[in-house]
Amino acid sequence: KNEVEQSPQNLTAQEGEFITINCSYSVGISALHWLQQHPGGGIVSLFMLSSGKKKHGRLIATINIQEKHSSLHITASHPRDSAVYICADEYGNKLVFGAGTILRVKS
Amino acid sequence: GAGVSQTPSNKVTEKGKYVELRCDPISGHTALYWYRQSLGQGPEFLIYFQGTGAADDSGLPNDRFFAVRPEGSVSTLKIQRTERGDSAVYLCASSLNPGREGADTQYFGPGTRLTVL
Repeated sequence: KNEVEQSPQNLTAQEGEFITINCSYSVGISALHWLQQHPGGGIVSLFMLSSGKKKHGRLIATINIQEKHSSLHITASHPRDSAVYICADEYGNKLVFGAGTILRVKS
Repeated sequence: GAGVSQTPSNKVTEKGKYVELRCDPISGHTALYWYRQSLGQGPEFLIYFQGTGAADDSGLPNDRFFAVRPEGSVSTLKIQRTERGDSAVYLCASSLNPGREGADTQYFGPGTRLTVL
């Protein structure tokens, strides 16, 4: 069974802190997705990666295929980063999602 | 350009009723996905269309759930004899053209919040 686990489940940070969210998956994948979900439900794709590292603004995503592990980093966090961050692995053209990490950044 | 749209945004129904949820994908996107998200959980896969055909319906929980995409664009998720446990946010996503290796960015709609009383 393909399982995706995220940690931590909840994370509270002070503005400016460096944040790391971790994701582990159990089955070989086509790609690993990181998504952001704001209150009210809208989901936005942040990254899709199958190897190495990607960077977009203050967000960085890395993946280690051998260890079946990915991390999402946020540098210089800001209250507007507060959201649920979800990782999902793409296997056979469908996404299997983690439960999400609820991030709150306090000013 | 227009993103993925879903209607209605909210649907309240009574146990035992039939409901239809609609998804309009981004124009030109060949792949369409339905997911269901219960409160406090990540979305779970229901069904995936490539063009008009359901390429993978392994996530549909039982035969009360059915989805169609007759012309390869708009899709309708149909739920018969609704139960309280069907209450969730139903999300639709589309992607341009995932190849055999998969791995294409999925664009999500805002979801339909279904409440079964």
